[in-house]
Amino acid sequence: NAGVTQTPKFQVLKTGQSMTLQCAQDMNHEYMSWYRQDPGMGLRLIHYSVGAGITDQGEVPNGYNVSRSTTEDFPLRLLSAAPSQTSVYFCASSQRDRGSFFGQGTRLTVV
Amino acid sequence: DQQVKQNSPSLSVQEGRISILNCDYTNSMFDYFLWYKKYPAEGPTFLISISSIKDKNEDGRFTVFLNKSAKHLSLHIVPSQPGDSAVYFCAASGRGAQKLVFGQGTRLTINP
Repeated sequence: NAGVTQTPKFQVLKTGQSMTLQCAQDMNHEYMSWYRQDPGMGLRLIHYSVGAGITDQGEVPNGYNVSRSTTEDFPLRLLSAAPSQTSVYFCASSQRDRGSFFGQGTRLTVV
Repeated sequence: DQQVKQNSPSLSVQEGRISILNCDYTNSMFDYFLWYKKYPAEGPTFLISISSIKDKNEDGRFTVFLNKSAKHLSLHIVPSQPGDSAVYFCAASGRGAQKLVFGQGTRLTINP
């Protein structure tokens, strides 16, 4: 039982490049979400999903896209990377009214 | 506008004593409150939660208290152990707990 798996763990992008951060969970959780954590700040919600085929925006959605075609996977796409997107990204999954399980994070640097 | 605030960036406690971490919120629509613990280079780990219909929830050494009138919650750790040294985040959400709003975190250090 792997829990929530994020890949890659580290990534360096050039400004303007695009990429996809992968997230998979094997707990059959209905809820999945993406957060970013910047220095001195708590985690901020980017996008979330309450089930396959259903996604919605969080607090800081600009510059990111998501889709959820299966219960297990919830990839996060950066459309055109900017230095302001340098951050640590966490994927999480949960059931309703339960604490979220988080992945180990992806440390992204945009130069 | 910070809806969830942890006003103490750091806290130092002696091993065996009680650690008390505090959190304030402004949104009266929050229905569910959670505490997470985070070690460096790892994702947050869920510790304990409380719904707005309760004022206390206990799980082993961890107890969370909710004061709705003051819009304040706290996490008590008794007794504190060296492995408790980490950053602690409080979080709040509406019903369902799928959209979490986090505080900035408090770094707890347990001294031997």
